[in-house]
Order: sequence, then C-alpha cells, then structure tokens
Amino acid sequence: SQKIEQNSEALNIQEGKTATLTCNYTNYSPAYLQWYRQDPGRGPVFLLLIRENEKEKRKERLKVTFDTTLKQSLFHITASQPADSATYLCALGDGGFKTIFGAGTRLFVKA
Amino acid sequence: DVKVTQSSRYLVKRTGEKVFLECVQDMDHENMFWYRQDPGLGLRLIYFSYDVKMKEKGDIPEGYSVSREKKERFSLILESASTNQTSMYLCASSRDLPSTMQYFGPGTRLTVT
Repeated sequence: SQKIEQNSEALNIQEGKTATLTCNYTNYSPAYLQWYRQDPGRGPVFLLLIRENEKEKRKERLKVTFDTTLKQSLFHITASQPADSATYLCALGDGGFKTIFGAGTRLFVKA
Repeated sequence: DVKVTQSSRYLVKRTGEKVFLECVQDMDHENMFWYRQDPGLGLRLIYFSYDVKMKEKGDIPEGYSVSREKKERFSLILESASTNQTSMYLCASSRDLPSTMQYFGPGTRLTVT
C-alpha cells in the first residue's frame, strides 16, 4: 500500500542553523509533492509544491528537493528562527483529487 | 486571502448522536474536502466534493456522509457517533484539480463519549 514516512521524532535545532526535514515514500508515483506547515490547534498551511520533473524549488528561506529515483524529498529552512517552530507535513498527489499526507515532523528552533 | 471556516472548534457528543460539522469557504472554490487527523497517522481523506451535490468517497468514508447543497458549504455528518470517531476534523478547499494548494480550516476537535 502507499506509504509516506516522515521522521516521527522532533527535530531540535539552534536559531540560525539550517533545518532539514525528510519525506520518503513507497508504492507511489507522484505527479507532485507538497509541503505544509501546521501550528498547534490549527489547520495546515500550504508552503511549496514541486513537480515530478523538477529537482529543486526555492521560496525565500525554504528549499525543497525531489528525487523520484530515491523516492525522497528534503525540505530545508535556512537561517531558522524560533517562529519556524511548527509541524511540517509532506503530501503527495498523483494528479487526481486525492492527496496523501504524511504524519509530519515537529521542528523546534531554540533561540 | 482564502478563508475556510468551520462551525465549531471543539465539540463533545455522546455515542449514538447524530453530529453535523459544517465548513464554509469564501473563494468560490470548486473542490472541498473533509479529512480527519489522528496522531501518527497523518490526514486521511473522508470525502471529497468537486461540485454542488457531487461527492466522491475518500479512504475512510465508513460511518460518515456529506452534503453539499451550495458551492461554498460542505457538511460532514456522523450518522451515529462512536468513540472511534473522536478526532480532529479538518475541512479544506482548492480551486482546481489536481488538488494542489489546499486551504484548510482551523479544525474541529470532536470528542465522542
């Protein structure tokens, strides 16, 4: 069955460092991959989308890579700030109406 | 900005009750979704609607039904609530298919006792 794996352990980093979150998937051929941010008690907020034919995409301090051979995406936040502390969700879509979401990785950025 | 609102932030219901969760979006989006979110499981799609009165089952539709009588409103109905339906329920909308860039509501935390 289709599966998305994100590190269930929280990631703790120091302010100013680069945070790197991993998303691995199996039994799926996504047309695109998305990253969302979710704060406690709130709904997810869309951050970035990368398509299957793209290797890398950037938006301000965010960078996403997508390796369809390794079946992996890496999500980087450079110059991290305490305000970046949240749960980050990886989501895959095949071009239809269904999106499959990972369980998310919690990021804590310490001042 | 797209706004998706949900009728309640917190809800406590008893086993066997009929429960209505309502969602309204203000951006004239065609597509609306209901998910539930449980720790360690991620978001799971319950139902999807691509137009008024049109719906598709998601991955976990059992025990739920939906209604979309107006474009901006999508309701989730628990016909007879059970304790295993205690969860966070999230509504989302998107303009186009494929359903990228979904806009989520704040969620309803439902507890069934």
